[in-house]
Amino acid sequence: KNEVEQSPQNLTAQEGEFITINCSYSVGISALHWLQQHPGGGIVSLFMLSSGKKKHGRLIATINIQEKHSSLHITASHPRDSAVYICAVFPIQGAQKLVFGQGTRLTINP
Amino acid sequence: DAGVIQSPRHEVTEMGQEVTLRCKPISGHNSLFWYRQTMMRGLELLIYFNNNVPIDDSGMPEDRFSAKMPNASFSTLKIQPSEPRDSAVYFCASSRLAALDEQFFGPGTRLTVL
Repeated sequence: KNEVEQSPQNLTAQEGEFITINCSYSVGISALHWLQQHPGGGIVSLFMLSSGKKKHGRLIATINIQEKHSSLHITASHPRDSAVYICAVFPIQGAQKLVFGQGTRLTINP
Repeated sequence: DAGVIQSPRHEVTEMGQEVTLRCKPISGHNSLFWYRQTMMRGLELLIYFNNNVPIDDSGMPEDRFSAKMPNASFSTLKIQPSEPRDSAVYFCASSRLAALDEQFFGPGTRLTVL
């Protein structure tokens, strides 16, 4: 079982829909990252969080440390949000490096 | 700021050849990371430098891979000899302080070994 599991693996929605991508992990962590990888391949860091909630524009990230779960929400989705969204965690114990989920491929149709 | 700079952006080579990938981190960042991304395995950390010193190279696949960071503004990842299974996208990233911090990724180098 992977330490970081994302769901769904693929998501297709219509423009304007509210999007939720989930990330569950099995180890204690210091921080969780959400990354966005566009079709061209570039990777952008969206959020780094260790508790509560963060908001940037139409994107909201939440984390529940006790339940070992994080969600990434996109409000009023737009075709330009189409990308792969990757969750990564920084474990408290063991190797001090990010552990990545396999990503969620989001497609927003106009 | 120019962001993390990687070169070349694309590399096609033949099996057995030496390949050198280059990275310039964001000025002032103390940590540098080399990642490999494939369809099968996703993103994997190969090696991580802090203040130019390799901290964790446990992800380096084998002796054919080597990485150096001679100064704070330059790093190389070398594969010698290259093999078809090395074909992947290689990303360099940097962070201001340590591995825990927000990481800024370069555009990647797409390597194809024939």
